[in-house]
Amino acid sequence: DGGITQSPKYLFRKEGQNVTLSCEQNLNHDAMYWYRQDPGQGLRLIYYSQIVNDFQKGDIAEGYSVSREKKESFPLTVTSAQKNPTAFYLCASSIEGETDTQYFGPGTRLTVL
Amino acid sequence: AQSVTQPDIHITVSEGASLELRCNYSYGATPYLFWYVQSPGQGLQLLLKYFSGDTLVQGIKGFEAEFKRSQSSFNLRKPSVHWSDAAEYFCAVLRAAGNKLTFGGGTRVLVKP
Repeated sequence: DGGITQSPKYLFRKEGQNVTLSCEQNLNHDAMYWYRQDPGQGLRLIYYSQIVNDFQKGDIAEGYSVSREKKESFPLTVTSAQKNPTAFYLCASSIEGETDTQYFGPGTRLTVL
Repeated sequence: AQSVTQPDIHITVSEGASLELRCNYSYGATPYLFWYVQSPGQGLQLLLKYFSGDTLVQGIKGFEAEFKRSQSSFNLRKPSVHWSDAAEYFCAVLRAAGNKLTFGGGTRVLVKP
């Protein structure tokens, strides 16, 4: 089955620790995205990548970092600089980087204690 | 800048009744519009999208949406809701540059037996 996987589903970390969220897709999509979702708010774009070895900041990139070394993988690191990291994180991908439908993974809920 | 407003935070509807979710957007050109649905703790699933052409768009699960340029609206409808339609629904518009989505705040739908 083709799809997007995110692991783990739930993640707990102590304040001050960096944590990396995994996102893998086997859809052969070129573009990948990371969103953050907070209660009562829509999704906000953190980072996106339209092609391997290239990525751009989204609307709320501060305190986050990404890499795109492989087409299938787009891990997100939540650093200790992120002031309010507890949230639901969603990864998405699309066939190409322009005017194309985005497909979403199941999400990772990060709780920082 | 593009923006999306979903005026209703919560809607409660009886099973078998009709449902309409409102979405208003702010965008200078012809927008590309999407409706997604999210079950609790899950990722987003695409219900339907409008790029051009017929302003009445059919989607999955019996949903449809109508694009009205004069009202800057893209409301989602379903003639008869099922208990499984209880979820959160997000309207989104594609931004002018790059394949980046701007989401509304979401509408949570509760279905009464």
